[in-house]
Amino acid sequence: DGGITQSPKYLFRKEGQNVTLSCEQNLNHDAMYWYRQDPGQGLRLIYYSQIVNDFQKGDIAEGYSVSREKKESFPLTVTSAQKNPTAFYLCASTDRDESPLHFGNGTRLTVT
Amino acid sequence: QKEVEQNSGPLSVPEGAIASLNCTYSDRGSQSFFWYRQYSGKSPELIMSIYSNGDKEDGRFTAQLNKASQYVSLLIRDSQPSDSATYLCAVKYGYGQNFVFGPGTRLSVLP
Repeated sequence: DGGITQSPKYLFRKEGQNVTLSCEQNLNHDAMYWYRQDPGQGLRLIYYSQIVNDFQKGDIAEGYSVSREKKESFPLTVTSAQKNPTAFYLCASTDRDESPLHFGNGTRLTVT
Repeated sequence: QKEVEQNSGPLSVPEGAIASLNCTYSDRGSQSFFWYRQYSGKSPELIMSIYSNGDKEDGRFTAQLNKASQYVSLLIRDSQPSDSATYLCAVKYGYGQNFVFGPGTRLSVLP
């Protein structure tokens, strides 16, 4: 089955530690995205990538980093510089046309 | 700045009624419009896409688009308690493949 796999589903870290969230897709989509969602809030764009080896900052990129070395993979690193990292993180992908975003199941990160 | 607005709700309707969800957007360059349903603690799932003016029906769901008024809506007929969720409106801009999401409307269908 084609889809987007995010891992892990739940992640717990101590403050001050960097953590990397995995996102893999087998839909052959060119564009991939990372969103953050806080309780009761909408989606906020962190980073997006339209092609391998290229990515753009979204609205809330500070404290985050990404890489796009392969078309299928778009990992997100939450660094210690991110002041409030506890949130629900969603990875998504889409084609280069009128297609909608397809979402993974999300990773819930808790930092204490 | 591109904006998408929705009433945050909660919108409460009785079981079997029609739920009407509304969305307005600011940029006339918008080309594609989507409605997502998100249950608490889950990721958004696509329920409707609409690209041209008029109505598009899929089962109990009807999406309506009016580009002149920069308005898109979602009607849910014969609402069921299982429809209780947050509904996100999303607008895609052809250039840059960027999506803008509204804040979502929380729908509660009362048995």
